Amino acid sequence: AQTVTQSQPEMSVQEAETVTLSCTYDTSESNYYLFWYKQPPSRQMILVIRQEAYKQQNATENRFSVNFQKAAKSFSLKISDSQLGDTAMYFCAFLVNAGKSTFGDGTTLTVKP
Amino acid sequence: NAGVTQTPKFRILKIGQSMTLQCTQDMNHNYMYWYRQDPGMGLKLIYYSVGAGITDKGEVPNGYNVSRSTTEDFPLRLELAAPSQTSVYFCASSYSMGGNTEAFFGQGTRLTVV
Repeated sequence: AQTVTQSQPEMSVQEAETVTLSCTYDTSESNYYLFWYKQPPSRQMILVIRQEAYKQQNATENRFSVNFQKAAKSFSLKISDSQLGDTAMYFCAFLVNAGKSTFGDGTTLTVKP
Repeated sequence: NAGVTQTPKFRILKIGQSMTLQCTQDMNHNYMYWYRQDPGMGLKLIYYSVGAGITDKGEVPNGYNVSRSTTEDFPLRLELAAPSQTSVYFCASSYSMGGNTEAFFGQGTRLTVV
């Protein structure tokens, strides 16, 4: 079975600064995908960034980037130039196939003005 | 584009009652999913479907049933509601199951069983 651990239940950052959210996972699978989702107070789940395990290059989407360390089973999310709209719950997720997906318990991020 | 639409948005059920959570998508996606999100926790997969007529259990299927008679619709049925089913339920769809395609989520249904 897969497990996903987000060790930081809550974090805060000043507007315009950089913050890193951590995620570790455990699996015996060799092919899988990793995701970060954002859930604002509206409850909508929004895909932030995804990483394919067989790709060594870290994914980047504008101000969001990941540090993927496959051997260490670590998948952290870096948010640069934090904005007030980044305030949300962030979930790390792991996907093998349609029937095997695991989400972490989330990190609540607050961006302070 | 409406995307993934869930109804109702909120519902209060009494113990032992039954209900169906509706989910429809207009993106012609083959894959559809039902998740539940308990307070302070991540999503857990209840059931999924890889196409019309094909469904399978996820991590937490007990107490639920699904059907997939059309590509667009994937209803979730609770037969005998229990307090442990108090949760927020999300429906999602994707073109394929791979991580190179995005899963689109509905707005969720907040269900309280009393």
